[in-house]
Formats: sequence, C-alpha cells, structure tokens
Amino acid sequence: EAGVTQSPTHLIKTRGQQATLRCSPISGHTSVYWYQQALGLGLQFLLWYDEGEERNRGNFPPRFSGRQFPNYSSELNVNALELEDSALYLCASPVSPIGYTFGSGTRLTVV
Amino acid sequence: DQQVKQNSPSLSVQEGRISILNCDYTNSMFDYFLWYKKYPAEGPTFLISISSIKDKNEDGRFTVFLNKSAKHLSLHIVPSQPGDSAVYFCAASEGSNYKLTFGKGTLLTVNP
Repeated sequence: EAGVTQSPTHLIKTRGQQATLRCSPISGHTSVYWYQQALGLGLQFLLWYDEGEERNRGNFPPRFSGRQFPNYSSELNVNALELEDSALYLCASPVSPIGYTFGSGTRLTVV
Repeated sequence: DQQVKQNSPSLSVQEGRISILNCDYTNSMFDYFLWYKKYPAEGPTFLISISSIKDKNEDGRFTVFLNKSAKHLSLHIVPSQPGDSAVYFCAASEGSNYKLTFGKGTLLTVNP
C-alpha cells in the first residue's frame, strides 16, 4: 500500500504570508494527524482530522488551521507566518498498534 | 509542561558496543510507549513499542525496558551499528488514544 505523502518537500515564505501544506494519508485511511517539529523541540501535536472533521487540536494559535477533504487528504494552513513557524511539518496515518506511519514532511522556512 | 523527557540531547558510542537511550515521563495515565527513529530529511519510522503491562520487549538488536514505578523507559541497541546513527524519539499514549506525546529526541552517533 502507498504510504503517507506530503507536498511540497520544502517551502520558503516571507513573514506575514500564508503557507499551505498538503498530505495524503495511507490509502483507505480516514484519519490524518499533523505534527510540528521545530528546532530543538520534539514533535508537537497540531491537529487531528477524521472523516472530514477536526477531532482535536494541540496548543497552537488559531492561525494554524486545516481541513480534510472527502478523499481524506488534508491541508494545513498557517496564516500570518512568524519566524518561529519555521519547522518540519509532519503528517501521519494512525496504524495500530505501532502508532503512526509518517510522511517525509514539509520543511517550512519563514524569512 | 513536558510530559515525556529525553534528557540526553546526544549520545556517541563505538560500533559493536551497547547504546542505551533513556526516557522519563510524568503522566501516570500513559500506558503505551513507542520509540521512533528519524534520519535527516525523512519522517520518523517506528522502531519498537511496549505496553504498560510488560516490563520488557525485544526485537532483534533492540530491547525496550519499562520501569513503571520510576516512570522510566530505556531503549537498548546491541550491538550498535553505524546505520543506527539517527535521532531517536520516545513517545507515549494514553489508552487507545492515537495522540502521541513525544520527547525532544536523542541524537545517536555510532562511530565505526
């Protein structure tokens, strides 16, 4: 089965702009998790979507948002970018019992 | 409040020796623990897990030990190989909740 795919691989944006990151979960899987890995930090839980609905969100400001489409792919949007938003953004499909299968991530750089 | 802590940012060992990576947690409701390995420019990949009903789980060169009373787990890699050089993340979950809480990671370097 195809794994989790993310695009783009790299993204460079200017402070104040908006960034859109995309994720396709494992085929047939309905849930998508988003995590942020900032420099020096572990993976921080951002958002969980399932069956098109936002089910849970982590301790991030509202300018981090997203959606899940009918085909279960997902978008993460970050508005009003700040320098500290520079990070690796990871998308994952939950796979029992191992937790997640992750995508390769999108490296967002805010300049 | 950091509920999963990996206090060693880095560890360096010689090829063939044992690597021991440590992880502490504070949330007593955590009952499932996982280790992930991450190479640069790749997403984390699952390595090994342990349920709180066990105190040891082994898979080839990798063994995870859980000490619930101390809220401590460790990952042992024996023997260590240069290809094991990566960042290792400890993670924990509560019940059947797929939301994982991760530590900050430990960079393991295995020297030939």
